[in-house]
Amino acid sequence: DAKTTQPNSMESNEEEPVHLPCNHSTISGTDYIHWYRQLPSQGPEYVIHGLTSNVNNRMASLAIAEDRKSSTLILHRATLRDAAVYYCILNAGNMLTFGGGTRLMVKP
Amino acid sequence: EAQVTQNPRYLITVTGKKLTVTCSQNMNHEYMSWYRQDPGLGLRQIYYSMNVEVTDKGDVPEGYKVSRKEKRNFPLILESPSPNQTSLYFCASSLFSGSSYNEQFFGPGTRLTVL
Repeated sequence: DAKTTQPNSMESNEEEPVHLPCNHSTISGTDYIHWYRQLPSQGPEYVIHGLTSNVNNRMASLAIAEDRKSSTLILHRATLRDAAVYYCILNAGNMLTFGGGTRLMVKP
Repeated sequence: EAQVTQNPRYLITVTGKKLTVTCSQNMNHEYMSWYRQDPGLGLRQIYYSMNVEVTDKGDVPEGYKVSRKEKRNFPLILESPSPNQTSLYFCASSLFSGSSYNEQFFGPGTRLTVL
């Protein structure tokens, strides 16, 4: 299975942009890149996904490298409510394999 | 409101006493799945279902059973629970099976303790 590598933790100041990196050097051509987050005491929550092009939605932006071996989740203005574990996942046909994720801490 | 519900949310039981954790979704989703989450091991898939009467093993199926008699429900059955099944369990669903681009919706979780 293709795997992802993320930093264990990151810190951000409130109201500032956050760039969460993910490496997936063994990605296959049909793998979609998904990001989920898990807020404390909750189930994982979908954030965004993409295949080749950069994507934007109301929660975040996803920047995908041209060779697709890495991607970056961008939170444009971090809030305290964004403190969570963020998972970068390669999705092949509904199979979500969660790694360790990045714990994002947001400082007021 | 579109959602995935799980019951119970918390359960303490004893070794060997059969239990069922229910999962229900109201979004007419084809695909449903069960995960367990343990410290240091992350979320691991137990079983999944591509549609009614179609189920298959995930990464950690030992000690669990599932059934999918109706589209909306996907119960997780522990016939003889053991302490190593103490964990946080999540049910999830998505619209289409076999699709890489569907988002999955997760339930709120069931915290199970087996003594």
